[in-house]
Amino acid sequence: GESVGLHLPTLSVQEGDNSIINCAYSNSASDYFIWYKQESGKGPQFIIDIRSNMDKRQGQRVTVLLNKTVKHLSLQIAATQPGDSAVYFCAETGGGSEKLVFGKGTKLTVNP
Amino acid sequence: NAGVTQTPKFRVLKTGQSMTLLCAQDMNHEYMYWYRQDPGMGLRLIHYSVGEGTTAKGEVPDGYNVSRLKKQNFLLGLESAAPSQTSVYFCASSYFPRNGYTFGSGTRLTVV
Repeated sequence: GESVGLHLPTLSVQEGDNSIINCAYSNSASDYFIWYKQESGKGPQFIIDIRSNMDKRQGQRVTVLLNKTVKHLSLQIAATQPGDSAVYFCAETGGGSEKLVFGKGTKLTVNP
Repeated sequence: NAGVTQTPKFRVLKTGQSMTLLCAQDMNHEYMYWYRQDPGMGLRLIHYSVGEGTTAKGEVPDGYNVSRLKKQNFLLGLESAAPSQTSVYFCASSYFPRNGYTFGSGTRLTVV
């Protein structure tokens, strides 16, 4: 079946650097994408979303980029902080689906 | 608002025992979901509901049953627990998938 996947299972960065987490999707009908952050021992929390009529959306220190041509999604975190250490999941839905499809997640570790 | 509340937070079961996990949401969401998350893996959908009185199977439904008798509650049952069901269980709810999900804080279940 179609699924959402991540290129890198782990990412380690220095505090203050920018982080980029990538995600590939295969469902051409997908038109809504979300990034979630999951800290240890907690449930996933919404970070930012983007709809297919956009190719970029910015939040506070985070930017999501969508490239529909190659079915690629990325999350950029500016000036990464220790509190950003977590597992990040991308998710997608579309075509009238009743649910989100989640990627496997990338573990981000921020070194002081 | 409490958001999504899961009870219990922790439970240890013996093989063959039964139990019910409760998910309650106070956001008047139509959609509710049960996921399991195993170490090093992403979220796998067990069952979901698109409204009061409805349920549907996800990708890993075997060994679980669900009920949605009231809009605000979604119950996950294990009739005869097995060690393979040791996992962290997350409930989520949504007004509509394109609005994203709100997750609970999880139930850590160990079957011995």
